[in-house]
Order: sequence, then C-alpha cells, then structure tokens
Amino acid sequence: NAGVTQTPKFQVLKTGQSMTLQCAQDMNHEYMSWYRQDPGMGLRLIHYSVGAGITDQGEVPNGYNVSRSTTEDFPLRLLSAAPSQTSVYFCASSYSKGSGGTSYNSPLHFGNGTRLTVT
Amino acid sequence: AQSVTQLDSQVPVFEEAPVELRCNYSSSVSVYLFWYVQYPNQGLQLLLKYLSGSTLVKGINGFEAEFNKSQTSFHLRKPSVHISDTAEYFCAVIIRMDSSYKLIFGSGTRLLVRP
Repeated sequence: NAGVTQTPKFQVLKTGQSMTLQCAQDMNHEYMSWYRQDPGMGLRLIHYSVGAGITDQGEVPNGYNVSRSTTEDFPLRLLSAAPSQTSVYFCASSYSKGSGGTSYNSPLHFGNGTRLTVT
Repeated sequence: AQSVTQLDSQVPVFEEAPVELRCNYSSSVSVYLFWYVQYPNQGLQLLLKYLSGSTLVKGINGFEAEFNKSQTSFHLRKPSVHISDTAEYFCAVIIRMDSSYKLIFGSGTRLLVRP
C-alpha cells in the first residue's frame, strides 16, 4: 500500500512551457485534490475531484487543468507556466461523502510534494 | 468569509519545555477541526481531529488540542517537546455548507525545538 504517490519530486520549467504533475493513490479514495503551498499562505486548493469523471475548481484554479479518468489518477496540467506558479504542489486524497468536497470525518492523505520552479 | 488564523508563524522552544500553538477560526456554521503536521520534505499527516463530543482531543506523539466554541479556538499543546517535534503545524477547518464540505487551512506555524 503506497498511499499517495506524486511525480516528479522536483521540476524546473521555463516560462511558457507546459507540463503535467502526476498523482496516483491506491486506497480507492473517491476524493482527490491538488494544493499549492507558498510561504506564509498555508495550502490553497487548486482543483478537486469527488470521483472519476467529476472535477471542480478550488480557490486558485487559473492556469491549471485537471482530469479524472480513473479513480486512482488525478494529474495536474500547467498549460503555460508562469513564475507565479513557482511553488510546492501537494496531491491529497480521502474518502468522500459523494455530495461534493471531502468527507468531514475522513482525513486527507498527502503525497510528498512536487517542488516546481518556473524561471 | 470563513477563515483560519494561526497567529504565530514561528515558535522557538527548548527541548522538554511545554508548547502551545494557537489557532482561531471564524465561522458561524458547524465546523470540524484538525491539526496536521508536516516534517521536512514530506507531505502533511493528520495529528488529531475534533468532530464532536469531548472538547479535549488527544492525538499522536503526545499532542492534544482543546476546542473552545465561545472563543472559536482550537489550540494545540504538548507538555514536553522533543527535538523530533520540529516541523510545521497546520490548523485546518472543514466547514459544512449545505450538503458539501469545504476544507480551509491556516498559514502554518513552524515549531523549532532547540536542545
């Protein structure tokens, strides 16, 4: 049981390049989400999904796309990287009540993060 | 708007001393409260949670937190810290809005334990 696996761990991009951050979980969690972590700002929700084929925007969705074709995978795409997207990105999953958002009594399981630098 | 405030960005403390990390939230609806810990170069992991019942909640590694509804606080405490407790601690609130739940994180408090 690997939990939540994120790849790559580190990435450097030039402005305008695109890339995909991978996230996979093996706990059969319905809910998956992407956060970015910036100094002094805590974690901010980018996008989330409550099941295969269902995604929704979080607090800071601009510049990012997601899709959820399987329960296990939830990739995050940067279409045209900008320096403002330099951050540490975390994928997290949990069981879901199914009605939107995370379950209140199911803790989030986090991956180890991807440190992205955009120059 | 709902929010979570962690007043201290950094808390230095000597080993074996007690520590309190403060967390306040603003919400007029039902809330569920959490503390997460992030060790260096790792993701966050759940330390403890308050859903209902007793307002004093015990978590892993000797931490505990007390929910105070009148003060809208959920401060984290440990009576005697170890070097290994050095990490960043995040308070989080799940707010129930109709039939869905929204998770909001505080900005984090870095605990530095010195020998």
